Amino acid sequence: EAAVTQSPRNKVTVTGGNVTLSCRQTNSHNYMYWYRQDTGHGLRLIHYSYGAGNLQIGDVPDGYKATRTTQEDFFLLLELASPSQTSLYFCASSVGGQDTQYFGPGTRLLVL
Amino acid sequence: GQQVQQSPSSLVLQEGENAELQCNFSSTATQLQWFYQSPGGSLVSLLSNPSGTKHTGRLTSTTVTKERRSSLHISSSQTTDSGTYLCAIHRKAGNYKYVFGAGTRLKVIA
Repeated sequence: EAAVTQSPRNKVTVTGGNVTLSCRQTNSHNYMYWYRQDTGHGLRLIHYSYGAGNLQIGDVPDGYKATRTTQEDFFLLLELASPSQTSLYFCASSVGGQDTQYFGPGTRLLVL
Repeated sequence: GQQVQQSPSSLVLQEGENAELQCNFSSTATQLQWFYQSPGGSLVSLLSNPSGTKHTGRLTSTTVTKERRSSLHISSSQTTDSGTYLCAIHRKAGNYKYVFGAGTRLKVIA
C-alpha cells in the first residue's frame, strides 16, 4: 500500500501569515495532488504534478502556490493566508493520472 | 453546474440493512472511483469501476457509462461502515484530474 504522509497535521495561523504544507510519498508515484475539502463541496483540486519540477493548475488555484522538489515531495504554499483558506487539506499520489489515488491523513488549517 | 452529484446526501440505517448510494455525472468519465472517508477524516479508495459491475467484500458497484451513473451497494451494513462515501470521476476531456462529488454521509446504528 502506498504511504503518503503530511505535515503538520494541524496548523493555526493569522490572516496574512505564511504557511507551508508538506507531503511525502514513498512509493515512487509519478502524480501528486493537493486538494482542499470544505463542507458541501467535496474535494477540490488545487494543484497537481506529474513529476519533479512539474506543476499543473487545478480547479481552485487562487491564493496557492505549489512546488514538487523531488519525486517524493510536494509542497503547498499559502503566502498571504486568508480566512477563506481555512479548510482540510489532503495530499494524494498515484502512479498514473487515471490510477487509484492514495491519500495522506490530511492537514487541518485554521486562518484567524 | 456540478459535474458529480451524489444522492442521498445522508442516510441512516439499522445494522444489517442494505444501502444504495447513487452517483450521477455530467461529463463522459474514463474512470470512476468510490472512496470512503472515516469520521476521523481519513480517505481510502474502495474500488475503481469505470463500467460494468464490480464486487469487493460486501460492496457492489454498478456503473452504466452511457447513462452517466454509478451506484454503490453495501450489503448487511455494520456500524463500522458509518462515514462518508465519495464518488469521483476522471473526465474524458481535460487533464489528469478527478472531480469529486460532495458525498453521501452514512450512519449505521446498532
